[in-house]
Amino acid sequence: DSGVTQTPKHLITATGQRVTLRCSPRSGDLSVYWYQQSLDQGLQFLIHYYNGEERAKGNILERFSAQQFPDLHSELNLSSLELGDSALYFCASSVDSGVLIGNTGELFFGEGSRLTVL
Amino acid sequence: AQRVTQPEKLLSVFKGAPVELKCNYSYSGSPELFWYVQYSRQRLQLLLRHISRESIKGFTADLNKGETSFHLKKPFAQEEDSAMYYCALSGRGAAGNKLTFGGGTRVLVKP
Repeated sequence: DSGVTQTPKHLITATGQRVTLRCSPRSGDLSVYWYQQSLDQGLQFLIHYYNGEERAKGNILERFSAQQFPDLHSELNLSSLELGDSALYFCASSVDSGVLIGNTGELFFGEGSRLTVL
Repeated sequence: AQRVTQPEKLLSVFKGAPVELKCNYSYSGSPELFWYVQYSRQRLQLLLRHISRESIKGFTADLNKGETSFHLKKPFAQEEDSAMYYCALSGRGAAGNKLTFGGGTRVLVKP
């Protein structure tokens, strides 16, 4: 067990609604990453937080936002949901910040939150 | 921009046959390449990284900067190798790390 926990595992909602996905990283990991996996897009990087600060942004829509709290858990907020937002949302954590030489590059993934927008 | 391409969505091989998963990347800097694997009902996990030059579960991968490739190979596939494999590239900048994944290749090893 990698220790990364994500809730909820499954979520069904309607277009126009807002949802929050939660991620608790492995104990001791300071970095949290969010990825979106849809059928035709593969794993798309959304955003990276390190110790509460945003470090890198990928193809994250303006309707989406994230934050990392002092206890290092992270939340991904998805608003004004559209049908195309239906996907599996993965959280991953790592011990390092990603900017140091020697970064192992190893991310530890959660099981994902499956969002279905109807 | 960084991009990872895995041209094969599905590879089907017989047990004992060699298997090679292709991965090509595009990145202007010095890349770090990885292979991640997701077995059925398990989480995505790191299989190997190019800087370690290691063989994991019989798999090896060589970074070829000239061809911008990082193909994953195993000489004798086993049924337990059936899984989804993702090639990933780490492009580090001053602002943070971004691990970019390819679209994935599903490997099916038939008995």
